[in-house]
Amino acid sequence: DARVTQTPRHKVTEMGQEVTMRCQPILGHNTVFWYRQTMMQGLELLAYFRNRAPLDDSGMPKDRFSAEMPDATLATLKIQPSEPRDSAVYFCASGSPGHIQETQYFGPGTRLLVL
Amino acid sequence: DQQVKQNSPSLSVQEGRISILNCDYTNSMFDYFLWYKKYPAEGPTFLISISSIKDKNEDGRFTVFLNKSAKHLSLHIVPSQPGDSAVYFCAAWGSGNQFYFGTGTSLTVIP
Repeated sequence: DARVTQTPRHKVTEMGQEVTMRCQPILGHNTVFWYRQTMMQGLELLAYFRNRAPLDDSGMPKDRFSAEMPDATLATLKIQPSEPRDSAVYFCASGSPGHIQETQYFGPGTRLLVL
Repeated sequence: DQQVKQNSPSLSVQEGRISILNCDYTNSMFDYFLWYKKYPAEGPTFLISISSIKDKNEDGRFTVFLNKSAKHLSLHIVPSQPGDSAVYFCAAWGSGNQFYFGTGTSLTVIP
């Protein structure tokens, strides 16, 4: 049963600390998305990659957030330094090969709390 | 600015009745629309989609309707079941690979 995995599932940290979230897309999927869910904004698209190259990261605060795909099986989202307003659930999703409008399969999310 | 809007944060429906979830969008260039369902503590799961060249797509109990002139999308669930209780998000793809989610509607199906 192929699924997207995300680690850690929960993270509590103090303001100013670096946070790294990891995502393992479904094997064979070549598109990876990062989302942030907050009560106020719903699901916001932060960035997405196709074939490991960033296609769009306009939703991501550039000064503190960075997203990478070191290889086809790992995507990372890093926040440095973290701030209390970054507290949210961060979802990773992967998409099947083909047109980018293909269905996205979501991971369980990383629940981040920045104190 | 919210380009995909779900103006009803919540909806309650009796089991067996129809649930209608609505979604409005602002960009006429959006060309592909999707609905996702989300249970607590889980990621969203894909439900149904529709291309802008169609006005209806049906999959079992779920039907999505698209009214391009009104820039309006709706999801109909018939008959509604308690297991359908979840948060439903509509989403849209636009030209230039822009993608937007709505803020979600929490559906409660009352047994």
